Amino acid sequence: GDSVTQMEGPVTLSEEAFLTINCTYTATGYPSLFWYVQYPGEGLQLLLKATKADDKGSNKGFEATYRKETTSFHLEKGSVQVSDSAVYFCALTSPGGYQKVTFGIGTKLQVIP
Amino acid sequence: GAGVSQSPSNKVTEKGKDVELRCDPISGHTALYWYRQRLGQGLEFLIYFQGNSAPDKSGLPSDRFSAERTGESVSTLTIQRTQQEDSAVYLCASSSTGTGGLFFGEGSRLTVL
Repeated sequence: GDSVTQMEGPVTLSEEAFLTINCTYTATGYPSLFWYVQYPGEGLQLLLKATKADDKGSNKGFEATYRKETTSFHLEKGSVQVSDSAVYFCALTSPGGYQKVTFGIGTKLQVIP
Repeated sequence: GAGVSQSPSNKVTEKGKDVELRCDPISGHTALYWYRQRLGQGLEFLIYFQGNSAPDKSGLPSDRFSAERTGESVSTLTIQRTQQEDSAVYLCASSSTGTGGLFFGEGSRLTVL
């Protein structure tokens, strides 16, 4: 079945550091890929998405590129801020049938001043 | 409403009691999902609705758990004879057709004493 693998956290970075959170997936066909973010005490929010190979999703300075050849969708940000501290979830939706959403385990990011 | 609404936001109950959790999705969203998030854990899929039918109930942990949905509107997740291991945040999400991603409510935090 479909699965999403994320790097284990927590990830601790200093403010203005470069961020990469790795995400790889297993799915049949061409899934749509997503990153969700959960800020402390809040619900999950869609951060960005990509629906086909080589698409780049971007939002709030975060980017992720859909790499079919490596089945990856790594999340990057050039300069993190304390306000980016949150849990980040990679997810996919399989094409066809009903759109079951499969989530990774989540990666906690802590940014320190 | 503008977003996914869940109630109650917090529920404390005694072991063995029944609880009902409610989700009011975004108007017009045909798909509705329930997930469970235990403390420090990722998202655990429970059930998916398309309209008022549930094509995927594979995540319901036991027959103590059930859910229903009225048309393309409100859904209720019922947990009978609650156990301490049911303590978690129960998240509801809705989506329209296509690949726009899920919109989450803020969750219902259940504590079973």
